[in-house]
Amino acid sequence: RKEVEQDPGPFNVPEGATVAFNCTYSNSASQSFFWYRQDCRKEPKLLMSVYSSGNEDGRFTAQLNRASQYISLLIRDSKLSDSATYLCVVSRSGTYKYIFGTGTRLKVLA
Amino acid sequence: GAGVSQSPSNKVTEKGKDVELRCDPISGHTALYWYRQSLGQGLEFLIYFQGNSAPDKSGLPSDRFSAERTGGSVSTLTIQRTQQEDSAVYLCASSFDQGRETQYFGPGTRLLVL
Repeated sequence: RKEVEQDPGPFNVPEGATVAFNCTYSNSASQSFFWYRQDCRKEPKLLMSVYSSGNEDGRFTAQLNRASQYISLLIRDSKLSDSATYLCVVSRSGTYKYIFGTGTRLKVLA
Repeated sequence: GAGVSQSPSNKVTEKGKDVELRCDPISGHTALYWYRQSLGQGLEFLIYFQGNSAPDKSGLPSDRFSAERTGGSVSTLTIQRTQQEDSAVYLCASSFDQGRETQYFGPGTRLLVL
């Protein structure tokens, strides 16, 4: 089993739709959580960190469920420009290693 | 300010040749990572540098791969006797600290081994 697992998608949604991705992690010692966005043939870029209390940035909401060991990303009012691959990233307590999921591909359709 | 830069952006080489990939991290960032991303795959950790500490080389796939970081700044990833399966995008990232900090990625070097 992979340490970080994501549904690869693709998720094809119409503009304006709300879409949610989940990511599960297997190591309960994981402490830091992030969502990165990667456009085709580009480098990953931080979308948002995920805090225990959950956090929101405009149309994007991230949540952490430690009991069930998953994090989620909710995108409201999807835009064409949201089309990308969304990478879930987990870092273990006391280490420097970031474990990347293989990503969930989102396509927002006009 | 300047982000992470990598060179070359693209490299085509023949099987058996050696290649060197360069990474310039963000000034002041003490942590530097190398990853490999094959087509349609996730990021594979290769090596990690933190300040003057010994690097974590546990992700290097074979002894043909090596990396160094001079003066705590610029890093070079060297692949000797390249093989076709080495073809991938090699990404460098830096962060201010380890573990809890955001990683900033360079644009990557696309390596194609013919």
